Amino acid sequence: DGGITQSPKYLFRKEGQNVTLSCEQNLNHDAMYWYRQDPGQGLRLIYYSQIVNDFQKGDIAEGYSVSREKKESFPLTVTSAQKNPTAFYLCASGKITGENGYTFGSGTRLTVV
Amino acid sequence: AQSVTQPDIHITVSEGASLELRCNYSYGATPYLFWYVQSPGQGLQLLLKYFSGDTLVQGIKGFEAEFKRSQSSFNLRKPSVHWSDAAEYFCAVITGGGNKLTFGTGTQLKVEL
Repeated sequence: DGGITQSPKYLFRKEGQNVTLSCEQNLNHDAMYWYRQDPGQGLRLIYYSQIVNDFQKGDIAEGYSVSREKKESFPLTVTSAQKNPTAFYLCASGKITGENGYTFGSGTRLTVV
Repeated sequence: AQSVTQPDIHITVSEGASLELRCNYSYGATPYLFWYVQSPGQGLQLLLKYFSGDTLVQGIKGFEAEFKRSQSSFNLRKPSVHWSDAAEYFCAVITGGGNKLTFGTGTQLKVEL
């Protein structure tokens, strides 16, 4: 079955560490997105990519980095520069036109310890 | 800038009662509008979408929504709520420049038995 897979489901980070969240899709979607979710704030866009080897900053890109070396994969790195990384991270994919909305992964919960 | 407003943070209804969740958007052109549902700790599932044509759209799980251009609204409705409908609901709009989904802050639905 086609879908979008995020791993790990739970991730713990020490202060000053970089961590990478995985996102893989087999839906043949060109566009992929990373959102951050905090209670009461909805979903905020971190980065998005519409084509391999190209990506754009979203509304809250500071302290994050991404790569898009393959169409199927869009990993997100939370760097030590992100001062408040504890959150629920959601990856999504869709057609470039956006006409069908997005398909979402099941999320990664990142906690700083 | 485009925005989506969900004025109700929490709503409680009795099982079997009708439901209406409000959504207002701010966007210059005719928007692509969506409603998503999220169970705790999970990703988002698409309930329904509106692009054009009939302003009353039907979705999954017995939900429907009506697009009212004059009120810039896209309210979600269900005639009879089931206990399994308890979840968080997000309204979203596709915005230009990358066809990004912009989300409202969500409405948490509680269903009383």
